[in-house]
Amino acid sequence: DVKVTQSSRYLVKRTGEKVFLECVQDMDHENMFWYRQDPGLGLRLIYFSYDVKMKEKGDIPEGYSVSREKKERFSLILESASTNQTSMYLCASSLVILGAAEAFFGQGTRLTVV
Amino acid sequence: DAKTTQPPSMDCAEGRAANLPCNHSTISGNEYVYWYRQIHSQGPQYIIHGLKNNETNEMASLIITEDRKSSTLILPHATLRDTAVYYCIVRAHTGTASKLTFGTGTRLQVTL
Repeated sequence: DVKVTQSSRYLVKRTGEKVFLECVQDMDHENMFWYRQDPGLGLRLIYFSYDVKMKEKGDIPEGYSVSREKKERFSLILESASTNQTSMYLCASSLVILGAAEAFFGQGTRLTVV
Repeated sequence: DAKTTQPPSMDCAEGRAANLPCNHSTISGNEYVYWYRQIHSQGPQYIIHGLKNNETNEMASLIITEDRKSSTLILPHATLRDTAVYYCIVRAHTGTASKLTFGTGTRLQVTL
């Protein structure tokens, strides 16, 4: 079975701290995604990556950056955490193919910025 | 990726069929329809997908209209464990980078 693992289930950080959220997948997927989820707003795409060192902005990239140095790992970086970045963060991965491919999600990281 | 429209919430009695609608009137010819669900405090889980034909698997059935502008996810015998938020997504796969965009979904409440 495909596994997408997020490094922390719960995280508490202080305002202004640099925060790293890590995501690892074990199925050699090219595509990886970072979302945040807030009540009433659904899942919103922050960034996605389709290959090592390649990245594309999603719908809400402001205040975030990403890093993909290895195919299996996709990191979300909050350069200077703010309270409005308190949220549930979800990572996903999928193949890049012609035709259909399902996405697999991690369990999420609930980040609280105080 | 085409935008989808879903009702914000629905109720269903346990044991009855749950029919969740989705409109995707701007869908392109190469876009697939996917359904995912998210049970509270977990990551979304893939349910089913289709291009133009109806599809069925062990979890659900997917009915896509002939013009492909709408679809319905059917859970044939809903149980309390099916209470979740259901997302309908359309997505193209062209062999290159492919964005995966979710909306706000339909919150299905299954009741006794």
